[in-house]
Amino acid sequence: NAGVMQNPRHLVRRRGQEARLRCSPMKGHSHVYWYRQLPEEGLKFMVYLQKENIIDESGMPKERFSAEFPKEGPSILRIQQVVRGDSAAYFCASSWGDGNQPQHFGDGTRLSIL
Amino acid sequence: AQSVTQPDIHITVSEGASLELRCNYSYGATPYLFWYVQSPGQGLQLLLKYFSGDTLVQGIKGFEAEFKRSQSSFNLRKPSVHWSDAAEYFCAVGAGLTGGGNKLTFGTGTQLKVEL
Repeated sequence: NAGVMQNPRHLVRRRGQEARLRCSPMKGHSHVYWYRQLPEEGLKFMVYLQKENIIDESGMPKERFSAEFPKEGPSILRIQQVVRGDSAAYFCASSWGDGNQPQHFGDGTRLSIL
Repeated sequence: AQSVTQPDIHITVSEGASLELRCNYSYGATPYLFWYVQSPGQGLQLLLKYFSGDTLVQGIKGFEAEFKRSQSSFNLRKPSVHWSDAAEYFCAVGAGLTGGGNKLTFGTGTQLKVEL
């Protein structure tokens, strides 16, 4: 499968635990984006990364959320001390380097907080 | 800041009928515009995109969209809808980011139901 791979597809956490969401971009793509989709809403931009660099994190909550895209391995979105309001679908997208290239999305991780 | 409005939350059409989904955007420069489709439990699939040039763009699955700068619109159309087109449709505008990336701002989506 040459598409964007996200895992896990579903993740259940209790309040206060940590959630780690992984994203492997399409082969050859060097740009990774994370979006969050709350119920009945569209997707909201969270963060844009290139290898080993966070380029724009203007959509990330100021606390508890972090993202990385290491030189080797998938991009990780990490949510510490999760709360009920973090329940959402988190989507990763990837693209080539140029701004006019479309973003290709994974199937998302559905995060549920008990 | 850019924004996207999809005024129709739900639309129901009969199979074989024509379809038009509305999208209005707000953006200070020439926009990058996209339509994506999302089936339940799935990610978003790109239907078509507009960057420049011909204002009528063709996409996959028989969809097309027309960019009208004077109306700040990018409506999606299909001449004959199939039952498999039932899904949620998102319009998005892209803003360039430092580093060459593109920040997408999405509308709230239009849920399409197809009656057989």
